[in-house]
Amino acid sequence: EVQLVQSGAQVKKPGESLKISCKGSGYSFSSYWIGWVRQMPGKGLEWMGIIYPGDSDTRYSPSFQGRVTISADTSMSTAYLQLSRLKASDTAMYYCARSKEDEPFDPWGQGTQVTVSS
Amino acid sequence: QSVLTQPPSVSGAPGQRVTISCTGNSSNIGAGYDVHWYQQLPGTAPKVLIYGNNNRPSGVPDRFSGSKSDTSASLAIIGLQAEDEADYYCQSYDSSLSVPWVFGGGTKLTVL
Repeated sequence: EVQLVQSGAQVKKPGESLKISCKGSGYSFSSYWIGWVRQMPGKGLEWMGIIYPGDSDTRYSPSFQGRVTISADTSMSTAYLQLSRLKASDTAMYYCARSKEDEPFDPWGQGTQVTVSS
Repeated sequence: QSVLTQPPSVSGAPGQRVTISCTGNSSNIGAGYDVHWYQQLPGTAPKVLIYGNNNRPSGVPDRFSGSKSDTSASLAIIGLQAEDEADYYCQSYDSSLSVPWVFGGGTKLTVL
């Protein structure tokens, strides 16, 4: 079974950084893009960036450029999302999802709830 | 402002038919890229509902169907059921963007 499993919920203070992991299993981890999506409470899906673990090609959404770092460890079949200089407005659910160019994003991780509060 | 435009909400009574539109442009849907649809039930991650414009993954009821024409796509649901109440997102690929995967803003379906 193809699966993406994310790390657990985090509570952070403003100004801190967060790192979320997304472990893939059941497929060739290097051969699919892994994207990261933010969903703020009651809002839609928002792209943060995406990585191709096979060659580490990484693209970032302009909305997050400068604050976000996406990486992957192929030996661990795990992708990572780092977000720095956290603000209260970064409180959201963060999802990872797998894709191949024009194919749909499938599957999705279960999501990681991040709360930023002083 | 999402690259793909969806109505914020639609509603229908049980048994009725509803459609959700997804409007793009010549860089994404109009360029021939496939449209995929996701269903997000409350408190869960999105899941693929329709892929490649009009294909259903196994397990998705045939009450759901997709279509695509020119620069837009539609999701149709017939025989509406209470469990269809969810958020629906379209997604495609846009060759003009640095991160070329694009979502619609999402549509909240309410079953009356």
